[in-house]
Amino acid sequence: SQQGEEDPQALSIQEGENATMNCSYKTSINNLQWYRQNSGRGLVHLILIRSNEREKHSGRLRVTLDTSKKSSSLLITASRAADTASYFCAPNYGGSQGNLIFGKGTKLSVKP
Amino acid sequence: NAGVMQNPRHLVRRRGQEARLRCSPMKGHSHVYWYRQLPEEGLKFMVYLQKENIIDESGMPKERFSAEFPKEGPSILRIQQVVRGDSAAYFCASSPDSYGYTFGSGTRLTVV
Repeated sequence: SQQGEEDPQALSIQEGENATMNCSYKTSINNLQWYRQNSGRGLVHLILIRSNEREKHSGRLRVTLDTSKKSSSLLITASRAADTASYFCAPNYGGSQGNLIFGKGTKLSVKP
Repeated sequence: NAGVMQNPRHLVRRRGQEARLRCSPMKGHSHVYWYRQLPEEGLKFMVYLQKENIIDESGMPKERFSAEFPKEGPSILRIQQVVRGDSAAYFCASSPDSYGYTFGSGTRLTVV
C-alpha cells in the first residue's frame, strides 16, 4: 500500500506539552503533506514538505522528513485544547498518481 | 475565494434511491479528487478527475458509483441504488497542480 502509516494511533497529553506524531511510507515521494481533521469536519492542510527539504516550520508546527528512513514527524509545541483532532500524513508520489492516500491517522487529545 | 464547496452537507436517502453529491473546486483548480470516510476510519481515495476526464478511478466500486467533472459546472459523484453500506462522509478536494490539496467540508450521506 502507498499510504502513510501514522504512529501512535492515539495520543493524550496535557495542555502546554509537546505532541509528536510519526509517519512512515514505502516508496520514493515527491512531497509529503500533513492534514488535520476536527471531529465531523473536512481535512485542513497544515504543511507540505518536499522531498529535498529536511525540516519545515509553520507557527507551532514543525515537520521533519528523513527520506533515507522514509519517515516524517509532526511536532506541535505548547499544545492547546483546540489542537485536539486527528492528524493524517499523506505521501504524494506526484505525476499521474497525484492522488493522496491517507492512513488512519493519529487521534490527538489535549486535556486542559 | 470561497474554497471547495460541497453540497448538500447532509443527505438522507432510502435504500434503492440515487444520491448525487456535488463539488465545486476552488477557482483555478482543475484537479478534483473524491474520498470516502467511514466512522473512525481514514479517508479512502475513490476517484481523480480533471475537466472532462477521469484520470484514476482505482478506488471506485465497480458498480453503482460514477463520477464526472464536466467542462462547465461542478463535479458530481453519483451513487445509484444506495445501500446502507454507502452511509459515510464523502469529501472532495481540489488542486491546481495535483500537489497541494484543499478539501471541502464533506457531504454526510445516510441511507435509511
